Amino acid sequence: GEEVAQTPKHLVRGEGQKAKLYCAPIKGHSYVFWYQQVLKNEFKFLISFQNENVFDETGMPKERFSAKCLPNSPCSLEIQATKLEDSAVYFCASSLNRGTFSNQPQHFGDGTRLSIL
Amino acid sequence: KNQVEQSPQSLIILEGKNCTLQCNYTVSPFSNLRWYKQDTGRGPVSLTIMTFSENTKSNGRYTATLDADTKQSSLHITASQLSDSASYICVVSAGNTNAGKSTFGDGTTLTVKP
Repeated sequence: GEEVAQTPKHLVRGEGQKAKLYCAPIKGHSYVFWYQQVLKNEFKFLISFQNENVFDETGMPKERFSAKCLPNSPCSLEIQATKLEDSAVYFCASSLNRGTFSNQPQHFGDGTRLSIL
Repeated sequence: KNQVEQSPQSLIILEGKNCTLQCNYTVSPFSNLRWYKQDTGRGPVSLTIMTFSENTKSNGRYTATLDADTKQSSLHITASQLSDSASYICVVSAGNTNAGKSTFGDGTTLTVKP
């Protein structure tokens, strides 16, 4: 598609439950990025993929967070044993190539708002 | 530590007026600087992207400037419209091998009133 599609728009989980978020990047884009926006404008980088391979995962809380981008499937971000502090909007972005080092923009989805109760 | 600071934090202007948003950064080595517009409840949308050698770039009523020597950028909005009400985020990327490591500013919230 021509837009980055994130589902669901809103996800509510009880503390300790699992949460799984999905992202379909723009067709033809090789790079996928996940960001966490806790406060209104504070974006935290989580992980990036080049096709199905992890490119950089230095932002990922390794204990409970995991992500995948498998061929012919939406990318996913999964949080095990959720905590109250995981409440945030999670954005996915895709780019044609290594967007942060070129003039190619990152195209963002509209995010998934995760609420942990 | 790489930092991006934006000012003002918020701004209210009347429709039709111009405004300028500021972004100062300490990201090194510099790769590129991007301005995004984020409407409430939506993802950021790219407005401009500038590399080291570019000092101005326009996108319709939006004009971004970059001074790589002083590490400052500005986003100028001309003849503002109600639809310009949004958060404007400055993002600076470092020139290393890490494709995902961009530093985001905290944004400027612009409100355009009729």
